[in-house]
Amino acid sequence: GESVGLHLPTLSVQEGDNSIINCAYSNSASDYFIWYKQESGKGPQFIIDIRSNMDKRQGQRVTVLLNKTVKHLSLQIAATQPGDSAVYFCAETAGANSKLTFGKGITLSVRP
Amino acid sequence: GAVVSQHPSWVICKSGTSVKIECRSLDFQATTMFWYRQFPKQSLMLMATSNEGSKATYEQGVEKDKFLINHASLTLSTLTVTSAHPEDSSFYICSATRPINEKLFFGSGTQLSVL
Repeated sequence: GESVGLHLPTLSVQEGDNSIINCAYSNSASDYFIWYKQESGKGPQFIIDIRSNMDKRQGQRVTVLLNKTVKHLSLQIAATQPGDSAVYFCAETAGANSKLTFGKGITLSVRP
Repeated sequence: GAVVSQHPSWVICKSGTSVKIECRSLDFQATTMFWYRQFPKQSLMLMATSNEGSKATYEQGVEKDKFLINHASLTLSTLTVTSAHPEDSSFYICSATRPINEKLFFGSGTQLSVL
């Protein structure tokens, strides 16, 4: 994914609905992908990760899907809650201790 | 609890002064730490990779003489913004990889405002 974005797109969902946040990455050599959540004025918080030998991984209320063919990553949040409102970033890297490249980020806004 | 501690959380300084930001790994040793910069409504941009006991590796376009990085111990990396100017005002974030699970954890960030 690109490391700089001028404006963050916004996804608005109704509380209780499922959210799907998408990310396109650029480096075909990337083998490790992470989703982060960032609240205003705070550092990114780890949500879930997935390695390239998997195409799906589930956590608590979150699922990450990886499609290496089209270099696409998605984050699904079940039963979205107001506390889920934040900016979400996907990140990719190739190898341990390698540079992490962040996507542009998407703002998730949850309507009560 | 936090595994990477960053201090200060925010700092206001006058133009021309220098500011030091600390990043500590709390319960693990980090041979490598990363420093990012984030402008409002934008993504994180990697500035440099901090290597314990050796020189930092800077990304293209990042002035190494302006953004001094010192990684003197396995639990502490510092970023010093020298002769800060208003355009250096930004959110600076550090990160470190926790060896036990190889996950990258971030500090809480430092909001720098240069007047």
